[in-house]
Amino acid sequence: ETGVTQSPTHLIKTRGQQVTLRCSSQSGHNTVSWYQQALGQGPQFIFQYYREEENGRGNFPPRFSGLQFPNYSSELNVNALELDDSALYLCASSLDQVYNEQFFGPGTRLTVL
Amino acid sequence: AQSVAQPEDQVNVAEGNPLTVKCTYSVSGNPYLFWYVQYPNRGLQFLLKYITGDNLVKGSYGFEAEFNKSQTSFHLKKPSALVSDSALYFCAVLGGSQGNLIFGKGTKLSVKP
Repeated sequence: ETGVTQSPTHLIKTRGQQVTLRCSSQSGHNTVSWYQQALGQGPQFIFQYYREEENGRGNFPPRFSGLQFPNYSSELNVNALELDDSALYLCASSLDQVYNEQFFGPGTRLTVL
Repeated sequence: AQSVAQPEDQVNVAEGNPLTVKCTYSVSGNPYLFWYVQYPNRGLQFLLKYITGDNLVKGSYGFEAEFNKSQTSFHLKKPSALVSDSALYFCAVLGGSQGNLIFGKGTKLSVKP
């Protein structure tokens, strides 16, 4: 059984650019959630996908978008990058029941210059 | 709105001593509470959860947490701290029907030999 993996590990972009982050869920998990963790803060919920459909969204603008694929892997896309988008982006997978624990990947560190 | 608070930015403990990391919550309805740990440059690792049942929840690596409804608290505890327990600890509450987690700001635990 493999855990949650994310790519790339680190990424440097400039303001206005677009970025795509990738996540591979833990085997057997059909739900993926994305979180943004700014330096010195707890993770903030961006959105969740369940069986390829967006299942909930936090307080993030529409330039944050996502996809979940039939194999339950996922992408997070951010358009028109801003300096404040610099953060650790965490992907978490879980089984479909709400109360199951979420398993986190190691994260992608995004720096926007 | 659901929220958790971690009143201590840092907790310092000597190895072998008991440790407590504090968390209080504010929810409407029944609270579903979690503890995660984050090591440097790593994702979050699940420690334990409270959904219902016994107020004392046992988790990974010898950690446990006590749910106290009257004090709206969910403190993390360990009888004997290890240097390797030094990390960032996050308390979280289930935020909505889709299962997103709402995290506290985190508490840095430092265990000295």
